[in-house]
Amino acid sequence: DSGVTQTPKHLITATGQRVTLRCSPRSGDLSVYWYQQSLDQGLQFLIQYYNGEERAKGNILERFSAQQFPDLHSELNLSSLELGDSALYFCASSTRQGPPDTQYFGPGTRLTVL
Amino acid sequence: GIQVEQSPPDLILQEGANSTLRCNFSDSVNNLQWFHQNPWGQLINLFYIPSGTKQNGRLSATTVATERYSLLYISSSQTTDSGVYFCAVEPRNYQLIWGAGTKLIIKP
Repeated sequence: DSGVTQTPKHLITATGQRVTLRCSPRSGDLSVYWYQQSLDQGLQFLIQYYNGEERAKGNILERFSAQQFPDLHSELNLSSLELGDSALYFCASSTRQGPPDTQYFGPGTRLTVL
Repeated sequence: GIQVEQSPPDLILQEGANSTLRCNFSDSVNNLQWFHQNPWGQLINLFYIPSGTKQNGRLSATTVATERYSLLYISSSQTTDSGVYFCAVEPRNYQLIWGAGTKLIIKP
């Protein structure tokens, strides 16, 4: 158990809908990262937050947004869902204040868009 | 951008065998991690190893940063070692760039 929790584990929804994925980092970790794993694109970095502020952005679509709350949990919002958004979404956390360090991954949320 | 290549893409071994997985990257990196994704999809940290050598039980890893590669050694394989092994690197700006993975199947 990495200490990172994600809810829900599975999500099935229809095209055009909006969903919210939730992540709670390890105790003491200030950085949260979101990744998408799809069959055709592999694992891709989406976005990182540090202590409530956006720190880095990767291949995140404009239909997707995220935020980190004062209690350090994070939410990834996916809107106007398309079939191609079906994927496994991972959240990771680290202490990350400056230099790189280990990222610990949650169990993931499997999103299926029908 | 940086390219991360893993080899071999697939590996089938008998229980008890040893294996070496390779990760090549095209530019200098600040961070390199090895992960195991089990058949249930969970990503498990194996090593944080931007340089040098580390060992953890039957697994060990070596990164030669100057030559831009890393190796993951698995000795005395067990069926529970099956899954996909990923190498991920961080060039400089917080995001991990992932290889395509090596799919390992250990037969009993």
